[in-house]
Amino acid sequence: EAQVTQNPRYLITVTGKKLTVTCSQNMNHEYMSWYRQDPGLGLRQIYYSMNVEVTDKGDVPEGYKVSRKEKRNFPLILESPSPNQTSLYFCASSAQQVISTDTQYFGPGTRLTVL
Amino acid sequence: AQSVTQLGSHVSVSEGALVLLRCNYSSSVPPYLFWYVQYPNQGLQLLLKYTSAATLVKGINGFEAEFKKSETSFHLTKPSAHMSDAAEYFCAVSHQGAQKLVFGQGTRLTINP
Repeated sequence: EAQVTQNPRYLITVTGKKLTVTCSQNMNHEYMSWYRQDPGLGLRQIYYSMNVEVTDKGDVPEGYKVSRKEKRNFPLILESPSPNQTSLYFCASSAQQVISTDTQYFGPGTRLTVL
Repeated sequence: AQSVTQLGSHVSVSEGALVLLRCNYSSSVPPYLFWYVQYPNQGLQLLLKYTSAATLVKGINGFEAEFKKSETSFHLTKPSAHMSDAAEYFCAVSHQGAQKLVFGQGTRLTINP
């Protein structure tokens, strides 16, 4: 089944404890992206990647890191999480390197709480 | 710069009634427009998209949207609401060569029996 998977689905952690949220797609997609969803703000892009080893900042990159060493994986790293990073996170992928008219396929989401 | 405004963070309709979710966009270049739906505890999935072909776009589950350049709008409609339509709906905009989608704030649709 074609899908985007994220792990973990739920995570409660404490301020300053490094964490990684994994994202993997099995559709051989070029483009991958991370979003955070907050009430009243919709989805805001954190980072995106057009291809292996190519990543760039989105609208809200502060406090996050990413890497794209393999085409299928795009982990999101929080080196020192803070409470304002409590949010619902989505990974997405699309076939083309540029968004334009392409459909994005979303993972199921990771709900992160930072105490 | 591009932006999207969804009017009404919460819309409630009766089962069988018309669904109308409003989306207005701002773009200095010809836009591509999308509606995504998020069912409870799930990721987003594409409902429909406007890619500069037909201005009236039909999507899944009986939804459609019309691109109106003069009104900078892309409102989502469905003639008869079903209980299974209860979800959050997001309008989004991109353009030729875009590196990201810009999403609106979302509209939560509630269906009353």
